[in-house]
Amino acid sequence: DQQVKQNSPSLSVQEGRISILNCDYTNSMFDYFLWYKKYPAEGPTFLISISSIKDKNEDGRFTVFLNKSAKHLSLHIVPSQPGDSAVYFCAASPAGGTSYGKLTFGQGTILTVHP
Amino acid sequence: DTAVSQTPKYLVTQMGNDKSIKCEQNLGHDTMYWYKQDSKKFLKIMFSYNNKELIINETVPNRFSPKSPDKAHLNLHINSLELGDSAVYFCASSQGVANTGELFFGEGSRLTVL
Repeated sequence: DQQVKQNSPSLSVQEGRISILNCDYTNSMFDYFLWYKKYPAEGPTFLISISSIKDKNEDGRFTVFLNKSAKHLSLHIVPSQPGDSAVYFCAASPAGGTSYGKLTFGQGTILTVHP
Repeated sequence: DTAVSQTPKYLVTQMGNDKSIKCEQNLGHDTMYWYKQDSKKFLKIMFSYNNKELIINETVPNRFSPKSPDKAHLNLHINSLELGDSAVYFCASSQGVANTGELFFGEGSRLTVL
């Protein structure tokens, strides 16, 4: 039972346009949501996160939107750059002080930004 | 200077062998983790240690034994390797128990069991 799902295995976008990566989850106990970015032969690196009490968090070109009622979050990258080409993982963390770094990850979406 | 480093990066071995993967972090964090990325690309937590104490053990077979000699190191020893153990193993660290989920990952160790 996969509690975090990224239904698009890949996404291809032109440089300068918007990239939208989607993620759905099923567990209502998730309280914190994160996006990680991974280049080949490297470990995932933290990109941006959002608490369940918010519906939007922005950091430069990256914005994460959370729709709790739909159990859906999305990552918007605008404008997209070729250096953004990577695998993007959505992850979720349980509520409060019990998470202990126990993240549940989606399968990842391969983003390719064409020059 | 790598923040979270794992050795070896690649490991090819035969079924039934015993192998270890080492992890060290120089971030001064007090919590370390092992995650496994399987063939379907899902990253799943295996173990978590806080101040050398085991706090998460996610129903991993007891052939897997983590050891944390100090806060900066978390090693993973695997006995009697099986084909299904082939995966990429990621070590990670965080300060505190990472309620916000921000972990720092190593580059991964790709284990292939033949």
